[in-house]
Amino acid sequence: GAVVSQHPSWVICKSGTSVKIECRSLDFQATTMFWYRQFPKQSLMLMATSNEGSKATYEQGVEKDKFLINHASLTLSTLTVTSAHPEDSSFYICSARAGSSDGELFFGEGSRLTVL
Amino acid sequence: GDSVTQMEGPVTLSEEAFLTINCTYTATGYPSLFWYVQYPGEGLQLLLKATKADDKGSNKGFEATYRKETTSFHLEKGSVQVSDSAVYFCALLRGSEKLVFGKGTKLTVNP
Repeated sequence: GAVVSQHPSWVICKSGTSVKIECRSLDFQATTMFWYRQFPKQSLMLMATSNEGSKATYEQGVEKDKFLINHASLTLSTLTVTSAHPEDSSFYICSARAGSSDGELFFGEGSRLTVL
Repeated sequence: GDSVTQMEGPVTLSEEAFLTINCTYTATGYPSLFWYVQYPGEGLQLLLKATKADDKGSNKGFEATYRKETTSFHLEKGSVQVSDSAVYFCALLRGSEKLVFGKGTKLTVNP
């Protein structure tokens, strides 16, 4: 199947700093990418949907100024956690869809953020 | 709203044991149903899916049947292997809307 890669897979930062996580589709063009957050023993919660060249659509309760999403090309989307705090510590997962709206989703391996 | 409930883990089995992971859903209309698997250190992968009532999805010895009357999509495998150790997520998709996931069930298979 298609490959989606996230980087970094693990990051530790100090409170108040910003962290950028990249999501790349390696062998296909992703018209739509999704960002999820997963707390321990919880479901994956959709944070936002990004379409190449347009602004991301955020789910209710997700602060768009805190979680900046950029989908500048068909193979790259980035999530920037701005002014991170310990409560932002979580596992962030991206997924990408190729082609039509009912195309299969391919998931990255996830990025674990720890804010000290 | 739409939701997915799957059995709490963790589940620990011996090799060659029978596996069932229960999944029930709440949704209006006719959602598509999925099982995803996440092996250690890897991203989620689609394991199987079913798009309408009474459909059976199957892959790698796993199977699940879309039961509309009981709103269920239980995952089964007749004989598990150590390599099946992973976290399994049940999910639904209604139309082209977002995937809704269950909490995941961690399976450990001992030799």
